[in-house]
Amino acid sequence: EAGVTQSPTHLIKTRGQQATLRCSPISGHTSVYWYQQALGLGLQFLLWYDEGEERNRGNFPPRFSGRQFPNYSSELNVNALELEDSALYLCASSRNPGNHYEQFFGPGTRLTVL
Amino acid sequence: SQQGEEDPQALSIQEGENATMNCSYKTSINNLQWYRQNSGRGLVHLILIRSNEREKHSGRLRVTLDTSKKSSSLLITASRAADTASYFCATDRGNNDMRFGAGTRLTVKP
Repeated sequence: EAGVTQSPTHLIKTRGQQATLRCSPISGHTSVYWYQQALGLGLQFLLWYDEGEERNRGNFPPRFSGRQFPNYSSELNVNALELEDSALYLCASSRNPGNHYEQFFGPGTRLTVL
Repeated sequence: SQQGEEDPQALSIQEGENATMNCSYKTSINNLQWYRQNSGRGLVHLILIRSNEREKHSGRLRVTLDTSKKSSSLLITASRAADTASYFCATDRGNNDMRFGAGTRLTVKP
């Protein structure tokens, strides 16, 4: 069974540009989660999608947005990039939301904003 | 905002020793999960303990949960150099609302 995949592995942008990160969940998983991990810090919850709908959102400005496609893959878009957006962005997937499901993580996309 | 708080922030031990990491949280939870992260990579799920459970084992891992104190501990017995990683606790407040702590950086010296 293929794991969660993310692309690209690395992304370098300049301030003010837009970044698009992609995630493909494990087959059969309908929920996709996005997290931001700044260097040396813990994970900050960004977004949760399930069945194409945004279910929950962390404490991030509106320039962080995303969507989930009918095949359950997902995109995270970051507009008007700022230097502090430089981080590892992790995507995770799980089965239908419910009780006690673990999340399976992808390898992450390292975003660098210059 | 962060939910779990891991303690200590960093831990260095010799191979063969036991490693204990703690996690405290603030709100009621559905379950608590521990994850491992090798340097700069994705997280790997280790163990899940439900709010009505007090202790759980998986191989060399032992997790306890004290909901009255809102705390959990992860014990790794007979540590190996390959256990070197960051360990995170994550609290599930229900409805898949997962919040991660800042992690404990474990170094196991051969």
